[in-house]
Amino acid sequence: EAQVTQNPRYLITVTGKKLTVTCSQNMNHEYMSWYRQDPGLGLRQIYYSMNVEVTDKGDVPEGYKVSRKEKRNFPLILESPSPNQTSLYFCASSSLSYEQYFGPGTRLTVT
Amino acid sequence: GQNIDQPTEMTATEGAIVQINCTYQTSGFNGLFWYQQHAGEAPTFLSYNVLDGLEEKGRFSSFLSRSKGYSYLLLKELQMKDSASYLCAAKKKAGNNRKLIWGLGTSLAVNP
Repeated sequence: EAQVTQNPRYLITVTGKKLTVTCSQNMNHEYMSWYRQDPGLGLRQIYYSMNVEVTDKGDVPEGYKVSRKEKRNFPLILESPSPNQTSLYFCASSSLSYEQYFGPGTRLTVT
Repeated sequence: GQNIDQPTEMTATEGAIVQINCTYQTSGFNGLFWYQQHAGEAPTFLSYNVLDGLEEKGRFSSFLSRSKGYSYLLLKELQMKDSASYLCAAKKKAGNNRKLIWGLGTSLAVNP
């Protein structure tokens, strides 16, 4: 089954404790992206990747890092999480058709 | 600038028809997506329009007018499960980032 998976689905952590949210797709898509979704602000792009070892900033990259060592995986790293990073995070991938397939989401709470 | 506007909330009755409008101002516009998102879940793809006109897909249809910067999503024979947020997103032409400019979504409540 074609899908995008994310882990964990839910995470409660404390300020400053490094965390990684994994994202994996099995559709051989070149393009992958991370979004955060907040009430009243909609979907905002954090980082994206056009291919292996090619990543770039989206609209709200501050406080986040990503890597793309393999085509299928695109982890999101929060080196020192802060409460303003409490949000619902989505990973997405797409092919040349631009239709984006979203993972199930990760609800992160930073206290 | 880049902007997408859609109504915040709409209410409709089961079995009825509802039209959700979306207006956009995006440089390098090259197509418009509609996604459905149930509360707490991931957005799922509904439709994509790049040319002017109406695209029909079962109970859902989407319309685009590039000259007017306008699109709508038409939902027929509404069902309770259609209660969700509907996101409009404009695709920008060229560049490396397959970036979509997202609207804030229209929350549709379908009542019995």
